[in-house]
Amino acid sequence: AQKVTQAQTEISVVEKEDVTLDCVYETRDTTYYLFWYKQPPSGELVFLIRRNSFDEQNEISGRYSWNFQKSTSSFNFTITASQVVDSAVYFCALSEENYGQNFVFGPGTRLSVLP
Amino acid sequence: DTAVSQTPKYLVTQMGNDKSIKCEQNLGHDTMYWYKQDSKKFLKIMFSYNNKELIINETVPNRFSPKSPDKAHLNLHINSLELGDSAVYFCASSQGLAGGLFNEQFFGPGTRLTVL
Repeated sequence: AQKVTQAQTEISVVEKEDVTLDCVYETRDTTYYLFWYKQPPSGELVFLIRRNSFDEQNEISGRYSWNFQKSTSSFNFTITASQVVDSAVYFCALSEENYGQNFVFGPGTRLSVLP
Repeated sequence: DTAVSQTPKYLVTQMGNDKSIKCEQNLGHDTMYWYKQDSKKFLKIMFSYNNKELIINETVPNRFSPKSPDKAHLNLHINSLELGDSAVYFCASSQGLAGGLFNEQFFGPGTRLTVL
């Protein structure tokens, strides 16, 4: 069965520090999609990125970067020079193509960026 | 111009009541979803609808029933509410292959349901 693990329940950093949020997934499928979502204190869920299983190229978007490594089944998310506005719960999610076509979220990592 | 909207934002009700939460999307997407987020922030998909057909139904009690009058709407009806139903319910929509599960989902603001 598909599974998403975010081992870090809570992380606190001081503003301007870099922080990496870990995501490890399990899947039987060869074709799958990985996502990151952000849930700020206001409660809405904001899409950040999607990556398919055939594209291991790392991606950078401003202060955000993602490191996808199939060999370790990981899809980690790094925030460079963190800001207070980055404080949120971050969810990693997985969708498989062939097995049940389900969409599973990890348990989330609560990031607190202190001024 | 809200992409995915839900009403109401807050819902407080007594055990045993029947209630509905409405969801509308103006993105032209072909798939809509309902998620439940519990007090520990765990997010779990409940249903998804693609072209008016239910394509996922997780192990959700049959007291919960999604109803889609058209592609832009997916309402959630809950019968005989129980204390454990208290949670935040999110509606979402997406567009794409095989029900859109592989594309980014756009979420509504959530409905906080409290059952007393």
